[in-house]
Amino acid sequence: SQTIHQWPATLVQPVGSPLSLECTVEGTSNPNLYWYRQAAGRGLQLLFYSVGIGQISSEVPQNLSASRPQDRQFILSSKKLLLSDSGFYLCAWSGGEGQPQHFGDGTRLSIL
Amino acid sequence: SQQGEEDPQALSIQEGENATMNCSYKTSINNLQWYRQNSGRGLVHLILIRSNEREKHSGRLRVTLDTSKKSSSLLITASRAADTASYFCATDNNNDMRFGAGTRLTVKP
Repeated sequence: SQTIHQWPATLVQPVGSPLSLECTVEGTSNPNLYWYRQAAGRGLQLLFYSVGIGQISSEVPQNLSASRPQDRQFILSSKKLLLSDSGFYLCAWSGGEGQPQHFGDGTRLSIL
Repeated sequence: SQQGEEDPQALSIQEGENATMNCSYKTSINNLQWYRQNSGRGLVHLILIRSNEREKHSGRLRVTLDTSKKSSSLLITASRAADTASYFCATDNNNDMRFGAGTRLTVKP
């Protein structure tokens, strides 16, 4: 069966520090991969999605970036975090366009 | 940016009652999906309804879709305390997924 792993579960970082969140999927090949951010009590905002290695689409201009160095690995990064980057970050995968998405357990990021 | 808008924002019912949540959207879609989120966790996919379908069932869940009104509803019958969670609709148009702000459902035992 397919599983998705996202870590760390919680992270506290100072303003201006770098960020690297990792997400890996097991049990499937060539998945579509997604990064979302969820503000408290709100819906999800799509940040990036990828349909293949090295293929990244960005939905929102920001100081975050994403990379897909391997088929089942998706990384969310920042060189310098802002206070506004605080939130709940969720990684998800799907079998392709029009398919249900399957989410990791999220990373709660707090910026001090 | 969000597309789906759920209504109501919060719903509190007694165990055994039915819960109905509504979702409205603005642009054309390929499909509409409903997800559930327990506090502090990832989302869990519940049901997907395609743009050419009008109704779909899965266990105690019933989803309807009216593309002429750009709206969908999720009905949970015979609710249980374990159904307490936030429920989100998401519209899918060519890999462009847009989530609403969700309905917070509380089922009292």
